[in-house]
Amino acid sequence: SQTIHQWPATLVQPVGSPLSLECTVEGTSNPNLYWYRQAAGRGLQLLFYSIGIGQISSEVPQNLSASRPQDRQFILSSKKLLLSDSGFYLCAWSVREATEAFFGQGTRLTVV
Amino acid sequence: AQSVSQHNHHVILSEAASLELGCNYSYGGTVNLFWYVQYPGQHLQLLLKYFSGDPLVKGIKGFEAEFIKSKFSFNLRKPSVQWSDTAEYFCAVITYSGAGSYQLTFGKGTKLSVIP
Repeated sequence: SQTIHQWPATLVQPVGSPLSLECTVEGTSNPNLYWYRQAAGRGLQLLFYSIGIGQISSEVPQNLSASRPQDRQFILSSKKLLLSDSGFYLCAWSVREATEAFFGQGTRLTVV
Repeated sequence: AQSVSQHNHHVILSEAASLELGCNYSYGGTVNLFWYVQYPGQHLQLLLKYFSGDPLVKGIKGFEAEFIKSKFSFNLRKPSVQWSDTAEYFCAVITYSGAGSYQLTFGKGTKLSVIP
């Protein structure tokens, strides 16, 4: 069966420090991969999605970037965190034929 | 770009009351529709989905949703809510975004509080 792993679960980082959140999917090939940010009252904001290795689409210009170095690995990064980057980040995957997405447990990022 | 609107930010109901959460999307092509639920402290879970066929779909825990194409709507319903239904509910749409890729867009969510 397919599983999605996202880590760390919580992270506290100082302003100006780098960020790397990792997400891996097991049990499937060529998944669509997504990074979302969830803010209270604002729902899920799509940050990046990827249909294949090295193929990243950015939905919202910001201080973050994403990379897909392997088929089932999706990384969210920042060179210098801002206070406004605090939030709850969710990784998700779906099969390419547009079925439902499956979510990881999420990472609570606090920038101090 | 496609968008998903959930009209109610916070709904408060007493147990046994009926529930209807609104969801509208803006996209003229073929869509796949979903409702997700997030219970307090838990990750997002799929509640139900619509791809094609009968526009009235039934999900887990007694929830159902009706797809009305002419209204671009996919409202979630439950005839009698329970305290355990307290959660945040998200409507989502998958649309075709070209070059063989599909995009999943979420609404802002509706928080449901059920009072015992």
